[in-house]
Amino acid sequence: GENVEQHPSTLSVQEGDSAVIKCTYSDSASNYFPWYKQELGKRPQLIIDIRSNVGEKKDQRIAVTLNKTAKHFSLHITETQPEDSAVYFCAASKGGSYIPTFGRGTSLIVHP
Amino acid sequence: DAGVIQSPRHEVTEMGQEVTLRCKPISGHDYLFWYRQTMMRGLELLIYFNNNVPIDDSGMPEDRFSAKMPNASFSTLKIQPSEPRDSAVYFCASSLVSGLGEQYFGPGTRLTVT
Repeated sequence: GENVEQHPSTLSVQEGDSAVIKCTYSDSASNYFPWYKQELGKRPQLIIDIRSNVGEKKDQRIAVTLNKTAKHFSLHITETQPEDSAVYFCAASKGGSYIPTFGRGTSLIVHP
Repeated sequence: DAGVIQSPRHEVTEMGQEVTLRCKPISGHDYLFWYRQTMMRGLELLIYFNNNVPIDDSGMPEDRFSAKMPNASFSTLKIQPSEPRDSAVYFCASSLVSGLGEQYFGPGTRLTVT
């Protein structure tokens, strides 16, 4: 089955810095890569996703990149703010009829 | 749509008692998932259903755990008897088979077993 590795497990940055979280996956058939944000005491929520037919996708201060050859994808957050502090999960899926596999999560702490 | 609904939001019970967690998925979604989240083990998939049928329960930790989905709008996760190590946040999520695989999570049930 699919195996998703996520690094780092904890990331501490100063407000205004950039943050990068990286994930690798094992199944070359995976074609959908969502990222979820979980604030303290809240539910995980989808913040951005990327499909395998594109290499990069941006939404304001967040972006995801995908390298299918190397089987890795990354989440980039620029100009970090304290409200970005949360646990971020990556996942890999082969489509709606397949169950996504989640990474272990990255705890991002943004210091004011 | 109100999103995925879970109840109760918090449950405190004594060891040995039966606990029932409830979930209402988003209307029209045909997948339903139960997850358990702890600091030590992260987000664990316990079981999932497709069109009310259990597909994979290999994540269910022990026979003390059981899950049912009697219809498209309701599912339960039962723990009997409960133990302190079952203390965790339990999330229900739903998704569309015709979608990309994005999951919509409920608010979770925080279970504390003393």
